[in-house]
Amino acid sequence: GAGVSQSPSNKVTEKGKDVELRCDPISGHTALYWYRQSLGQGLEFLIYFQGNSAPDKSGLPSDRFSAERTGGSVSTLTIQRTQQEDSAVYLCASSFGGRGTVNTEAFFGQGTRLTVV
Amino acid sequence: GDSVTQMEGPVTLSEEAFLTINCTYTATGYPSLFWYVQYPGEGLQLLLKATKADDKGSNKGFEATYRKETTSFHLEKGSVQVSDSAVYFCALTTPNTGGFKTIFGAGTRLFVKA
Repeated sequence: GAGVSQSPSNKVTEKGKDVELRCDPISGHTALYWYRQSLGQGLEFLIYFQGNSAPDKSGLPSDRFSAERTGGSVSTLTIQRTQQEDSAVYLCASSFGGRGTVNTEAFFGQGTRLTVV
Repeated sequence: GDSVTQMEGPVTLSEEAFLTINCTYTATGYPSLFWYVQYPGEGLQLLLKATKADDKGSNKGFEATYRKETTSFHLEKGSVQVSDSAVYFCALTTPNTGGFKTIFGAGTRLFVKA
């Protein structure tokens, strides 16, 4: 596709349920990022992928959060046993992170708004 | 480790006022520097960028100059408009395992009053 695509755009779930959020990056982008943005707050870094590997998982807030990326493309962020404090907009971004370029702009998806009730 | 620090908001200005949002960074090597903007109800988008020292990025009346000696990339606009009300994020890209990694500042919310 032309841009970063995230699905679903909105998700309401009951406390304690598991959720999966999907990110489809721009074709050819090797770097992929997940961020969380709570209402009125800044970007909270969650995890960064380079290809299928995750050199930096330092932002995952607890072991209930995990993410994977397959085929160097689509990524899934999974939140197990959701809590109300998980409610936020989850943003995905991708960039052409390969070596030999200075064009490293990050392109963002529209986000998934997660509400845990 | 590499990091970006930007001034805390919110910043409230009257229309036609001068805007400065400070951004400083810590990085090894020679990062590229960016400003992203998030307008109300919209996604983040690139505002401007600079890829080497002394470069000036500019767009929509906004400017920022890559200052290696002060490790800064302050965002400026000579005369803000109500439509500039948004959250502004400073960012850098730095070499990382197999490629480049983007690091964002916490964001600065700007309110412009008519």
